[in-house]
Amino acid sequence: SAVISQKPSRDICQRGTSLTIQCQVDSQVTMMFWYRQQPGQSLTLIATANQGSEATYESGFVIDKFPISRPNLTFSTLTVSNMSPEDSSIYLCSVGRDRYNEQFFGPGTRLTVL
Amino acid sequence: SQQGEEDPQALSIQEGENATMNCSYKTSINNLQWYRQNSGRGLVHLILIRSNEREKHSGRLRVTLDTSKKSSSLLITASRAADTASYFCATAPYNQGGKLIFGQGTELSVKP
Repeated sequence: SAVISQKPSRDICQRGTSLTIQCQVDSQVTMMFWYRQQPGQSLTLIATANQGSEATYESGFVIDKFPISRPNLTFSTLTVSNMSPEDSSIYLCSVGRDRYNEQFFGPGTRLTVL
Repeated sequence: SQQGEEDPQALSIQEGENATMNCSYKTSINNLQWYRQNSGRGLVHLILIRSNEREKHSGRLRVTLDTSKKSSSLLITASRAADTASYFCATAPYNQGGKLIFGQGTELSVKP
């Protein structure tokens, strides 16, 4: 399995500001995804991070709020823009070799918005 | 929206007992994966079962898949206090680019 790191591991932010979360993998991977886990809830997919092109967003998530970059096969960023307390969640990236095999998750970024 | 539903939502057992968690889903899938999460930390991948497989084992874990009923179960045998965690099933819907849709999760408590 790949070694996945996320930065920051946690942050406390003021409403109206933005935070960029980084996801780094120790090997090239085809698939990268971003998920959100609200307090006490399960995981919800935000978007698929596509290398070299715009991310594919799930229903209810938009690029202006959650811009995503994926400049290469080992790195991606998720920005949470114009934050409100409702954005307080754990944000996790995941990676997979392809659509048929295991998907592994990073340690997550715990975000609290005041 | 969530693809899967899991039951029970919470399960409390004694050490040494077996724990069974069930997962149901709605659409055709490539595979189904089970994860463990301890206290809101990262997800640990437990096991993947493909749509053409019916049963899979890994250590004390046994997973079954019934595609006709669109359901799966995870059995943990001889449970330990360290197994206390939340368990999630996640399906990879067919022709959806590999994304995972998560169930609501089962919170397992194993008492020593």
